[in-house]
Amino acid sequence: AQKITQTQPGMFVQEKEAVTLDCTYDTSDPSYGLFWYKQPSSGEMIFLIYQGSYDQQNATEGRYSLNFQKARKSANLVISASQLGDSAMYFCAMREIPPRQLTFGSGTQLTVLP
Amino acid sequence: DVKVTQSSRYLVKRTGEKVFLECVQDMDHENMFWYRQDPGLGLRLIYFSYDVKMKEKGDIPEGYSVSREKKERFSLILESASTNQTSMYLCATARGQGAFNEQFFGPGTRLTVL
Repeated sequence: AQKITQTQPGMFVQEKEAVTLDCTYDTSDPSYGLFWYKQPSSGEMIFLIYQGSYDQQNATEGRYSLNFQKARKSANLVISASQLGDSAMYFCAMREIPPRQLTFGSGTQLTVLP
Repeated sequence: DVKVTQSSRYLVKRTGEKVFLECVQDMDHENMFWYRQDPGLGLRLIYFSYDVKMKEKGDIPEGYSVSREKKERFSLILESASTNQTSMYLCATARGQGAFNEQFFGPGTRLTVL
């Protein structure tokens, strides 16, 4: 079974609008971490936000927030007030303890329209 | 700032050649990882290392080997390159064992095997 599922291969959003990128995960471990990375066309992977399985509150980092629904095993990324520079591939990832590596989803290509 | 460098951004090799991809980090991180990235598949872990001379197989180790003789350097070796190893290769590093240990990525090497 897929550990991380991103069901939206591509998404479009109008500039200045909010957008939600979906991510569901599968684990039986009580302790895990969830990550979102952004990959622009230049190729570098940029860390955006992290949510721990024991965190009581949803993580936020500037315009990024993580809508964490533990019972549903979902960790959706919300980008508020989209900007043209947000156009990129977005990856959801999970770390279980052990092991130490991240397991990535297949990604969502977000395009912000002017 | 963590710096992760990879020896080449673009590489073209011929089938059967031995290929070395080098990754160097300057933050004294224990963990280093090699991923390959293919469209629609996200990032898949090839090998990782949590200490000098230690290595663990990831999800797709076949056709690859690794070497970690020094803490800061992690090499990925394609013993006999094949066309199905044409891909983007990403190196990453992370500190320690905690659930939140952000992975820092290098810029990637786009390898083409002809």
